[in-house]
Amino acid sequence: GNSVTQMEGPVTLSEEAFLTINCTYTATGYPSLFWYVQYPGEGLQLLLKATKADDKGSNKGFEATYRKETTSFHLEKGSVQVSDSAVYFCALSHDSNYQLIWGAGTKLIIKP
Amino acid sequence: ETGVTQTPRHLVMGMTNKKSLKCEQHLGHNAMYWYKQSAKKPLELMFVYSLEERVENNSVPSRFSPECPNSSHLFLHLHTLQPEDSALYLCASSQAPRLSGELFFGEGSRLTVL
Repeated sequence: GNSVTQMEGPVTLSEEAFLTINCTYTATGYPSLFWYVQYPGEGLQLLLKATKADDKGSNKGFEATYRKETTSFHLEKGSVQVSDSAVYFCALSHDSNYQLIWGAGTKLIIKP
Repeated sequence: ETGVTQTPRHLVMGMTNKKSLKCEQHLGHNAMYWYKQSAKKPLELMFVYSLEERVENNSVPSRFSPECPNSSHLFLHLHTLQPEDSALYLCASSQAPRLSGELFFGEGSRLTVL
């Protein structure tokens, strides 16, 4: 079946460091891929998405590229800030159902 | 108010109590969802209401009962819960009945079952 695997956290970085959070997926066909972010005390919000192979989603300095050959959708940011501290969720969806398939989430801690 | 609003934000209940969680969306969406978020586990979809049709996860215990009186309001009725039901319950809404993947979430209701 469909599944999403994220790197375990927490990931702890210093401010201005380069960030990568790995996400790989298993799915038939051509799913859409998403990154959601959950800031402390808040609900989740969509950060970026990509709907077909080689698409790059980007928002707030974050980027992720849909790589079908490696079934990956890694999240990257060139220079993180303390305000980026949050939990990041990778997810996929198929047109055929209501469900997003979620990864377990990766907690990111940025130290000043 | 805008977005998706959940009340209460925090709830503590005993195993014999009956309580309800409420969700309201002000986005004009036509699908609403209940999710359970537990530590170190993927988000678990509990129920979906889309265009008045209910879709549910068959693994959700019957002690959780959803109600969707209209497209803007969603309730989760709770009765005879267990301590393992303690979690953050998130409500979400979306525009499409079939997912475009963009869900709009409320801030959640933190439930503690004693």
